[in-house]
Amino acid sequence: QQQVKQSPQSLIVQKGGISIINCAYENTAFDYFPWYQQFPGKGPALLIAIRPDVSEKKEGRFTISFNKSAKQFSLHIMDSQPGDSATYFCAATGGGADGLTFGKGTHLIIQP
Amino acid sequence: SAVISQKPSRDICQRGTSLTIQCQVDSQVTMMFWYRQQPGQSLTLIATANQGSEATYESGFVIDKFPISRPNLTFSTLTVSNMSPEDSSIYLCSVAQGDQETQYFGPGTRLLVL
Repeated sequence: QQQVKQSPQSLIVQKGGISIINCAYENTAFDYFPWYQQFPGKGPALLIAIRPDVSEKKEGRFTISFNKSAKQFSLHIMDSQPGDSATYFCAATGGGADGLTFGKGTHLIIQP
Repeated sequence: SAVISQKPSRDICQRGTSLTIQCQVDSQVTMMFWYRQQPGQSLTLIATANQGSEATYESGFVIDKFPISRPNLTFSTLTVSNMSPEDSSIYLCSVAQGDQETQYFGPGTRLLVL
């Protein structure tokens, strides 16, 4: 049973546009939700993370929106650039010792 | 964030053999994790490795197949035993820092089993 559902599987956005990736979770014990960016041949790099006590967190061009009642969260990339082309994973955990449960990933392509 | 290195970065192995993957961190960390990422897929947690205790394995992963060592607070190894082509994956270690929920990943070990 997949505990974190991520969509879309792939996404093409024009340069300067907004990229939006959505995730939904089932386990109400999850209380920490990070997003990772992965380039080919590299390990995942932490982008931004949020806890359920806030509805939005912004770091530069990256924003997480969180809807606790709907058990959904999303990543918005503003002013998308070709260098943002990568695979993005949402994840969730209910505590440090639990490890992370990942979504299936979104392959993002930013067209120049 | 911690600087994490893994050895080897990649390897090609014959079926039936074993490979030990090393993970080195530049600072002391309590919790280390091992994940598997099959080609084009997401990451799946294999086990949690805390220094001074036995590794905790996730459903579908067993110690006989994936023995883990954690001899100190900066180092861990994962062995992939009696390999088959289905074991061809990227194996990643990660460490938890700060609030113990933020995880940072190593570069991964790319394993191909023939």
